[in-house]
Amino acid sequence: EIVMTQSPATLSVSPGERATLSCRASQSVGSKLAWYQQKPGQAPRLLIYGAYTRATDIPGRFSGSGSGTEFTLTISSLQSEDFAVYYCQQYSHWPPWTFGQGTRVEIK
Amino acid sequence: EVQLVESGGGLVQPGGSLRLSCAGSGFTFSSYEIYWVRQAPGKGLEWVSYISGSGSSIYHADSVKGRFTISRDNAQNSVYLQMNSLRAEDTAVYYCARDPVIGADYFDSWGQGTLVTVSS
Repeated sequence: EIVMTQSPATLSVSPGERATLSCRASQSVGSKLAWYQQKPGQAPRLLIYGAYTRATDIPGRFSGSGSGTEFTLTISSLQSEDFAVYYCQQYSHWPPWTFGQGTRVEIK
Repeated sequence: EVQLVESGGGLVQPGGSLRLSCAGSGFTFSSYEIYWVRQAPGKGLEWVSYISGSGSSIYHADSVKGRFTISRDNAQNSVYLQMNSLRAEDTAVYYCARDPVIGADYFDSWGQGTLVTVSS
């Protein structure tokens, strides 16, 4: 099973600032990495797939990078609606499909 | 518009059973793989079960293997999760999800979730 590890657990950022979230896989997943955003009481929303491709209707301030075992989600200028929990997920080696434990982005 | 709607959650005693349903609309249901993903209160996301479009391929997480069974009825545009021998640690919101194309293996459409509480 591939273990996904996200850091940091919590990120405190001021509106308008850049946020950088990390995700590490226990073995290479190539580019088969997705990022999701989840707000309280809501289902997760797909942001990024294929490590760097934005999903439909996702704003350009969200960008993904990386391959192999190291990945990054960058939010270039945080808006109020971006404060949420973010999860990475690998879909290279399955089953199981595995998620990171999440990074909470909170207002500083 | 693609829609997934879960139902069937509720309060059940340890050792009890529950059947969740996931109804799909707005797409050719039989062409898509469906996944169940759960989230315990205040915790992260955990994949639970997978079923292929035809129902011929099925996988379950080790944590539920032997207790949960996924199935589908494409004539009813529905996927089911039969949960037996429920434990306190199965308490979670259960989401069904779909991938955008066959074999994509990530999830672009999610239901709103249904809460399962296992408690005496």
